[in-house]
Amino acid sequence: AQSVTQLGSHVSVSEGALVLLRCNYSSSVPPYLFWYVQYPNQGLQLLLKYTSAATLVKGINGFEAEFKKSETSFHLTKPSAHMSDAAEYFCAVSERGGKLIFGQGTELSVKP
Amino acid sequence: DAGVIQSPRHEVTEMGQEVTLRCKPISGHDYLFWYRQTMMRGLELLIYFNNNVPIDDSGMPEDRFSAKMPNASFSTLKIQPSEPRDSAVYFCASSFSFGSSTDTQYFGPGTRLTVL
Repeated sequence: AQSVTQLGSHVSVSEGALVLLRCNYSSSVPPYLFWYVQYPNQGLQLLLKYTSAATLVKGINGFEAEFKKSETSFHLTKPSAHMSDAAEYFCAVSERGGKLIFGQGTELSVKP
Repeated sequence: DAGVIQSPRHEVTEMGQEVTLRCKPISGHDYLFWYRQTMMRGLELLIYFNNNVPIDDSGMPEDRFSAKMPNASFSTLKIQPSEPRDSAVYFCASSFSFGSSTDTQYFGPGTRLTVL
């Protein structure tokens, strides 16, 4: 069965600092991987997704993620945090043709 | 397009009452999903439809929950009778495809349900 583990339910960074949100997955077949962002009182918005093309995936708002099969990881990064990045971030996995399985989420706080 | 539309945005009801949540998917999307988000269980898929037909309802918690999609532009999630443990945020999402590399689910703003 597929699963997703997000390491750290809360991450706090200073404005301008590197953002690193960790995601590890488990899947019996090559997966599709997703990062979604949820701003307060809003629905989820797709940041980026990996579907077996390039292992480094670039998304919206300057975020990117790298698929590392050997580490079963799909960590999300952004070189320089902005106050507007404060939100909850969800990693998700799907086995092709299957349903999305979400991680528990990581709340990102950005300090001025 | 206006995106996925859900109503109401907030619902407060008393235990035992019937609750109906509504969703209008993005026009042209063939798949519709209902999710529930709680602190304890995170985001979980309840049911999804393809071309108005329920495909997988294995995530529906119990018989008190039912979902329908009478046409391509409208779906409901009903809880009868409601219980305090049903308190959660319920999201509707839609997508053009499912399980392909171009698949992207678009989420609505959610309905925050509180059962007293």
